[in-house]
Amino acid sequence: DGGITQSPKYLFRKEGQNVTLSCEQNLNHDAMYWYRQDPGQGLRLIYYSQIVNDFQKGDIAEGYSVSREKKESFPLTVTSAQKNPTAFYLCASSIRGGEAFFGQGTRLTVV
Amino acid sequence: RKEVEQDPGPFNVPEGATVAFNCTYSNSASQSFFWYRQDCRKEPKLLMSVYSSGNEDGRFTAQLNRASQYISLLIRDSKLSDSATYLCVVINPTDSWGKLQFGAGTQVVVTP
Repeated sequence: DGGITQSPKYLFRKEGQNVTLSCEQNLNHDAMYWYRQDPGQGLRLIYYSQIVNDFQKGDIAEGYSVSREKKESFPLTVTSAQKNPTAFYLCASSIRGGEAFFGQGTRLTVV
Repeated sequence: RKEVEQDPGPFNVPEGATVAFNCTYSNSASQSFFWYRQDCRKEPKLLMSVYSSGNEDGRFTAQLNRASQYISLLIRDSKLSDSATYLCVVINPTDSWGKLQFGAGTQVVVTP
């Protein structure tokens, strides 16, 4: 099956911990994105990558880090510097200028 | 000013009625436009692309007005299952070809 897979579906983080969210796609898409969505709000761009070994900050990159070592993978690390990380995290991929396809999301909760 | 703006709603629509709403964008160079649907606590899913000539997919019609810089979505014969948040997406090639700009969404509630 072609698609985009995020894991885990639910994640709990303790104060001061770094956690990594996984995003894998087998659609052969060049571009990948990470968005954050808070309850009742729209999507806000965290980071995006147009090509392997390159990525750009989005609108709310502080407290997050990413890597793009493989075309298929774009993991997001939520660091302890992110003071309010509880949110719904969505990963997406696309071809150049094309529509985005989303994973099912990861719900991160600070405990 | 936000790059992509939508009326948040909610638009309360009786079952069987027609509802329409717009999305305005600020960059005149934007070239690709899409409508997505997002159900509560789920990921957004592509509803339809928006072409310059307008396009229709069953009960859904999308239009692009470049002069006034907005796209529209019209839903005819609304079904209860159409209740969702509708997100518009604009791709701005002069900014970054890979950077999708999302609107905050328009909530539609179809009532029996």
